[in-house]
Amino acid sequence: QSVLTQPPSVSGAPGQRVTISCTGSSSDIGAGNDVHWYQQVPGRAPKVLIYGNSNRPSGVPDRFSGSKSGTSASLAITGLQAEDEADYYCQSYDSSLSGSYVFGTGTKVTVL
Amino acid sequence: QVQVVQSGAEVKKPGASVKVSCKTSGYTFTTYGVSWVRQAPGQGLEWMGWISTHTGKTKYAEKLQGRVTLTTDTATSTGYMELRSLRSDDTAMYYCAREAGWYNDYWGQGTLVTVSS
Repeated sequence: QSVLTQPPSVSGAPGQRVTISCTGSSSDIGAGNDVHWYQQVPGRAPKVLIYGNSNRPSGVPDRFSGSKSGTSASLAITGLQAEDEADYYCQSYDSSLSGSYVFGTGTKVTVL
Repeated sequence: QVQVVQSGAEVKKPGASVKVSCKTSGYTFTTYGVSWVRQAPGQGLEWMGWISTHTGKTKYAEKLQGRVTLTTDTATSTGYMELRSLRSDDTAMYYCAREAGWYNDYWGQGTLVTVSS
């Protein structure tokens, strides 16, 4: 079962733009499977931020955007705010063998 | 409105089994799948498995095959996750979530399962 690789941490000052990468392989992201992004505040359940590579659920600010290319995907946060300090996870589907969902390793975003 | 409510915390001894429930409301249960995800203390998210509430078809994470079983009760719109032969490294927060076409849009509050002798 594959795993998606993310940087352990990223940081930025309020108002800045940060990006989080999510690197997969030819059996998951590279196989054409969608990438989804979740935000998790400590002590809370994850919340979907982006689904289907670049779609935002209603209620998610347009400061959050997602993209996908080849075997990788990215989440961008523009106009960083203190409330964005959280853990972020990407997710996709691994088409190898019997198929399974896979999460990224997670990225801690710190607002300086 | 959609609600996903899980059963309460559990403390189990090594070798025992645990069954966590996930009661949903606010939508047609058989229209969406149910996924289960766990998170060990201080660690990332780990996908455990998925069940189709319409057909009962399941998919499980390779590392949990043979120890985990997902089921549903359509009469009560409830999903269940049973994990057997518990070990200390099964200590984690367990989440269920509604699967809305390859991603999870509504999550339960989590159920802490502690495995300790």
